Amino acid sequence: DAKTTQPPSMDCAEGRAANLPCNHSTISGNEYVYWYRQIHSQGPQYIIHGLKNNETNEMASLIITEDRKSSTLILPHATLRDTAVYYCIVRADDSWGKLQFGAGTQVVVTP
Amino acid sequence: DSGVTQTPKHLITATGQRVTLRCSPRSGDLSVYWYQQSLDQGLQFLIQYYNGEERAKGNILERFSAQQFPDLHSELNLSSLELGDSALYFCASSQGGSLHTQYFGPGTRLTVL
Repeated sequence: DAKTTQPPSMDCAEGRAANLPCNHSTISGNEYVYWYRQIHSQGPQYIIHGLKNNETNEMASLIITEDRKSSTLILPHATLRDTAVYYCIVRADDSWGKLQFGAGTQVVVTP
Repeated sequence: DSGVTQTPKHLITATGQRVTLRCSPRSGDLSVYWYQQSLDQGLQFLIQYYNGEERAKGNILERFSAQQFPDLHSELNLSSLELGDSALYFCASSQGGSLHTQYFGPGTRLTVL
């Protein structure tokens, strides 16, 4: 599975949009981009995933560049409860098993 | 609430001991995954079972073993425990393997003294 690069931390003001970048320049054609988050020591929570098209659900939007080498997770209206570590993971459609978690981005939402 | 349950929530034991962690997947999920999260290693995949069969293996120590039972619950057995085994252990489940989304349980915090 391709490696990902994320900034180690970022701050966001409550009520504003949070844009979390992820680089995955070695992504292959059959690899999806997944986002999970982990709120302090809780189990990781699935947010969203996509292959090449932009995706949106009730939690967030995922924007994938046309060359698929990077993506952005958008939390439209950040709340204090969105403070967490956010993980961007690239995973092949034929890869049984593991999610390879990196260090992620620590997002702190401030009032 | 992800629907995945793990017991116990906390476990404190001594070096050299053996413990068993239990996981019940979401209703209808056939795959169970185990992950370890320690301060210095981050979240690491240990092992996956699908419908009772081992399907994928990560960097799981030989002192660790797991199984999935006919009712699809899973147990992770950790033996000859060392201080370095202190960590959060998460179970996740999914409908199948491959691309199916994994849903994580709340974890078991193991402390080895």
